[in-house]
Amino acid sequence: AQSVTQLDSQVPVFEEAPVELRCNYSSSVSVYLFWYVQYPNQGLQLLLKYLSGSTLVKGINGFEAEFNKSQTSFHLRKPSVHISDTAEYFCAVSDLGTSYDKVIFGPGTSLSVIP
Amino acid sequence: DTAVSQTPKYLVTQMGNDKSIKCEQNLGHDTMYWYKQDSKKFLKIMFSYNNKELIINETVPNRFSPKSPDKAHLNLHINSLELGDSAVYFCASSQVRGSYNEQFFGPGTRLTVL
Repeated sequence: AQSVTQLDSQVPVFEEAPVELRCNYSSSVSVYLFWYVQYPNQGLQLLLKYLSGSTLVKGINGFEAEFNKSQTSFHLRKPSVHISDTAEYFCAVSDLGTSYDKVIFGPGTSLSVIP
Repeated sequence: DTAVSQTPKYLVTQMGNDKSIKCEQNLGHDTMYWYKQDSKKFLKIMFSYNNKELIINETVPNRFSPKSPDKAHLNLHINSLELGDSAVYFCASSQVRGSYNEQFFGPGTRLTVL
């Protein structure tokens, strides 16, 4: 069965500092990977996705993520964060098997940017 | 144009009442979902409909009944509300192409049961 682990439940970081949010998954088949962002009191919005091809994926708002198949990881990075990046970040996986219609979300990482 | 919309945005009600949440998507997608997000932000899928057919039904009390009158709508009816039902409920939609499933979320409905 699929599962998604986000090792850090809360990440405080100073403005303009770099940040990495970690995500590991387990699946017996090939997967698609996503990062979603949830700003306070809003719904989830897609930040970026990995489907195939280059393992380095660029998304909106200056975020990027790297797919590492051997480590089953999909960590999210940003070189310099802004106050407006304060939000909840969810890693998600969708497998290429029969349960393609089901997306499994990780427990989320709360990013707090400190001025 | 709102892609996935939900009404109401806030819902405050007493225990034992019956309530409904409506969801509509104008993206032309064929699959719609209901998720529950608890106070710790954990997101759990409840139901999924594809072309008005139920395809995912997770372990959810049968007090929860989804209804899909057409591909663009998926409503959630909850009977005999309990305190533990308090949460934010998100509707989402997607167009599953092969195995690719990018979901678009509504703004959420915050349900508070007193």
